[in-house]
Amino acid sequence: GAVVSQHPSWVICKSGTSVKIECRSLDFQATTMFWYRQFPKQSLMLMATSNEGSKATYEQGVEKDKFLINHASLTLSTLTVTSAHPEDSSFYICSARVEDRPTEAFFGQGTRLTVV
Amino acid sequence: GQNIDQPTEMTATEGAIVQINCTYQTSGFNGLFWYQQHAGEAPTFLSYNVLDGLEEKGRFSSFLSRSKGYSYLLLKELQMKDSASYLCAVMDSNYQLIWGAGTKLIIKP
Repeated sequence: GAVVSQHPSWVICKSGTSVKIECRSLDFQATTMFWYRQFPKQSLMLMATSNEGSKATYEQGVEKDKFLINHASLTLSTLTVTSAHPEDSSFYICSARVEDRPTEAFFGQGTRLTVV
Repeated sequence: GQNIDQPTEMTATEGAIVQINCTYQTSGFNGLFWYQQHAGEAPTFLSYNVLDGLEEKGRFSSFLSRSKGYSYLLLKELQMKDSASYLCAVMDSNYQLIWGAGTKLIIKP
């Protein structure tokens, strides 16, 4: 099956700094990338959807200036959490989709972000 | 609005059978997924149903009734490693996944 590599798997950062999370599709071209956030004991919450070469579409309540998403190529999408605060501590997961296989979702391993 | 409902937590005994139910109301339907998620890990794919009926895959089976907006995941011969959260997700008309809150399954010896 298709592999999505997400890095880092965990990161601890100081409040006020920025953190970048990368998601790479290793053996396929991801036309669409989904970014999710998951708080403890809760389900995945979609933050934004990005298509290669265009601006991301953010879900209601997600600050686009705080969570910067770049999808510059068909194999790489990044999420940057800017000016992180402790309440941004969460599990972030990316998921990739291929245009001709829209019902399949390929997940990255997830990134545990802790802001201290 | 769109809604996925599943029990918050279930407990079962090792070696037994457990059924996790999921009901949904969504804008369009392009299939229902079941995922397993261990703590601190990303979800892993278990099953996909787009037509009514039962799909069997080893110890796991998934059932779908589109007219009732209902699905269940059946786990047989439970093992301790099956302790995890099980997420029900529906793909809507825009091919976007709508997620349930997940069912935490606790397996006791």
